[in-house]
Amino acid sequence: AQSVAQPEDQVNVAEGNPLTVKCTYSVSGNPYLFWYVQYPNRGLQFLLKYITGDNLVKGSYGFEAEFNKSQTSFHLKKPSALVSDSALYFCAAPDTGRRALTFGSGTRLQVQP
Amino acid sequence: EAQVTQNPRYLITVTGKKLTVTCSQNMNHEYMSWYRQDPGLGLRQIYYSMNVEVTDKGDVPEGYKVSRKEKRNFPLILESPSPNQTSLYFCASSPNNPKTQYFGPGTRLLVL
Repeated sequence: AQSVAQPEDQVNVAEGNPLTVKCTYSVSGNPYLFWYVQYPNRGLQFLLKYITGDNLVKGSYGFEAEFNKSQTSFHLKKPSALVSDSALYFCAAPDTGRRALTFGSGTRLQVQP
Repeated sequence: EAQVTQNPRYLITVTGKKLTVTCSQNMNHEYMSWYRQDPGLGLRQIYYSMNVEVTDKGDVPEGYKVSRKEKRNFPLILESPSPNQTSLYFCASSPNNPKTQYFGPGTRLLVL
């Protein structure tokens, strides 16, 4: 079965510092991996996805994610955090057998001014 | 504007009183899905639909029904709501597969 895991419930970072939100995956075949962000009182918004090709994927709002096959990880990164980046972040992978997306449990990012 | 809309956004009801949460998308997407979001559990899929008149169960379908009579609409029906269905519900759509999904704003449901 396809699965993703987010080992941290919360990540705290100071504004201007680099941030990393972690995700590990367990999928068969070539992985498709996604990051979504949920701002307070909003639905989920697509940030970026990895399908194939470069291991560094660039997405919206200055975010990028690094695909690492040997570590089965897909960590979300940003060089300089903003207070407005504070939100709930979800890693996801499609379960092709069931035609669904499987989401991680989410990581709350708090960026302090 | 391309979007997924849900109504109502907030709903308080009592145990056993049937309710429907509507979902509509204007992007001509074939795939639609319902999720519930609970703290510490992420999003769990309730039902999905690959196309009109084609629906299937997700991870947590018990207590829910759906229908897909038109491509744009995918209502979620709770025939007899119970307090354990108190949650935040999201509808989502995708062009032709579940990979990149577009989410509605969410419906927060409280069942007393």
